[in-house]
Amino acid sequence: GAVVSQHPSWVICKSGTSVKIECRSLDFQATTMFWYRQFPKQSLMLMATSNEGSKATYEQGVEKDKFLINHASLTLSTLTVTSAHPEDSSFYICSARDMRGSGVETQYFGPGTRLLVL
Amino acid sequence: QKEVEQDPGPLSVPEGAIVSLNCTYSNSAFQYFMWYRQYSRKGPELLMYTYSSGNKEDGRFTAQVDKSSKYISLFIRDSQPSDSATYLCAMSARTNAGKSTFGDGTTLTVKP
Repeated sequence: GAVVSQHPSWVICKSGTSVKIECRSLDFQATTMFWYRQFPKQSLMLMATSNEGSKATYEQGVEKDKFLINHASLTLSTLTVTSAHPEDSSFYICSARDMRGSGVETQYFGPGTRLLVL
Repeated sequence: QKEVEQDPGPLSVPEGAIVSLNCTYSNSAFQYFMWYRQYSRKGPELLMYTYSSGNKEDGRFTAQVDKSSKYISLFIRDSQPSDSATYLCAMSARTNAGKSTFGDGTTLTVKP
């Protein structure tokens, strides 16, 4: 099956620092990638839709200046949490849609990145 | 009120049991109904999806959708310890489901 990787898998940082998370589609190309956050025992909340070569579309309530998204190639999207604070601690998950399809069956999730801000 | 409500669990069953996982929803526009399995500290994996009402079977898994009641279910037959995970239902009005709405998940433990 299609594989999506995320790096790092976990990160601990001090309050005020910025953290970059990478999402890569390893064996397919993705014009669209999605970024979610998930709090313990809660559902995935879509933060933004990342489109290759254009600006990301953010969901209501998500600060675009705090969560910077770059989708520079068909296999890589990055999420940068700027000036991270303890309330940003969460599990961040990306997913990538294989550009050869459009249905839910062509959307693959990464393993997630656990962020802890001290 | 949330658009998607999922039975919170957790569920603990003996190996071989039949498991029923359920979600209700309020948005009549939902047409696509998905079930994901998520192991601890991992991303979700699509198990099954259905369009509109009806049943769909895949091996030990059966998904049911009742749009009139706004109720979906996932049944697992002959449950195995490897089925132990969190199961998330998700729904979308369109097939390009990046904007799917997810349930909070039900954690299942199958004991040998």
